[in-house]
Parts: sequence; C-alpha cells; structure tokens
Amino acid sequence: EDQVTQSPEALRLQEGESSSLNCSYTVSGLRGLFWYRQDPGKGPEFLFTLYSAGEEKEKERLKATLTKKESFLHITAPKPEDSATYLCAVQNPNSGGYQKVTFGIGTKLQVIP
Amino acid sequence: NAGVMQNPRHLVRRRGQEARLRCSPMKGHSHVYWYRQLPEEGLKFMVYLQKENIIDESGMPKERFSAEFPKEGPSILRIQQVVRGDSAAYFCASSPRITRGTVDTQYFGPGTRLTVL
Repeated sequence: EDQVTQSPEALRLQEGESSSLNCSYTVSGLRGLFWYRQDPGKGPEFLFTLYSAGEEKEKERLKATLTKKESFLHITAPKPEDSATYLCAVQNPNSGGYQKVTFGIGTKLQVIP
Repeated sequence: NAGVMQNPRHLVRRRGQEARLRCSPMKGHSHVYWYRQLPEEGLKFMVYLQKENIIDESGMPKERFSAEFPKEGPSILRIQQVVRGDSAAYFCASSPRITRGTVDTQYFGPGTRLTVL
C-alpha cells in the first residue's frame, strides 16, 4: 500500500528563520509528487508538481525538491502569512488504469512575527 | 472565479437525515474526486467520477454513501441516514481530461463542513 509520511507534524518558526519540511514516500512507479497549502477552513491550494528525481521548483519563498525516496519543501525567510498546513501527495498508476493520489497528513507551520 | 465550487459550505443534519453535497468542477474539467478530511487526519480518497461514470469508489463506504456526476449539472455526494461519525469536511477536486501515462493536477474546492447532531 502506498505510504506518504510528512515530518515534522508541526513546526514553529520565527519570522525570517528558514527551514525545510519533509515528505517521504513508498510507492511503486511514482508519476508525480504534489505540494499543497491548506489554510484553516479552506480547501488545499496547489503549489507544485514534481515529476522526477533531481527536479526543483520555486515560488516566492518556497522551493520544492525531489529525490527517489523523499521531497523537501524549503521555506526561505518565512513570513507570518506563510503559516498554514502544507500537504504532500503522490500519484502513481493503479490497476484501474488511472493515477490515484495519496495524501500525507501534513505539516502545520506557524511563523511568529 | 472559475475555480471548483462546492455548496453548501456548511451543512447541519440530525442523525438519520440525508446530506447532499454538490460540486461544480473547474471549467473544462471532466474529472471529479471526492475526499473526506477529519481533524488532525489527512485527506482520504472516497470516489473518482467522470461524466455519467464512476471510475473508482474504493474509498467510499459501501452503505449509505453514493456519488454521481450527471451529464448536466454538478457532481453530488449523497449520505443517507447520517450518523455522528459522518461529521467531517468533504472536499471535491477536479482535473482536466486525463491522458494515460500523464500526470494531472487536482484542484480543490473550498469544502463542505458537515455536522451531524
């Protein structure tokens, strides 16, 4: 069964204190790895899709990287508005011929001014 | 805003009543997914539908739950005879036409928060 594990479960940072969130996965035939941001009471907001090991993508203060076993979401000089839960998800082919997505529980990030 | 739309945003039902959750996918998207999220838990897949077809309902309880995506109109997730354990946030996501072997991003709606009294 596909597994997606995110760590830490919660992270508290001072404004400007850079850090990384981890997403490790066990899935056969990974087709894509996704990062989403979810604010309280809202739906997940798409951030990045990564397709292959070695790939990197950036958006403002966020940079996502991918290896064969895990992905990192690096947050550089975070601001309070970056506070949210960050979700990782993996997509792989299943027997039904389509690509099922499995989500991790998420990392709850709090950035203190 | 051409994003995924869900309604109602909040729904309160008494035990034994029926809950109907609606989802309109993004313009141009023909694939709909329903997920359930409990506090401190991840998004759990329930069902994947295309127009007039259920592709995968492996995550949906066999009893009381059903889903449809008619040719016209929104996708509907129906929960009959609700129980307190059905209280959760239900999210709908959509993606464009899927080509075998490609990766398609799912875009989420704001969710429906169901409370069963």
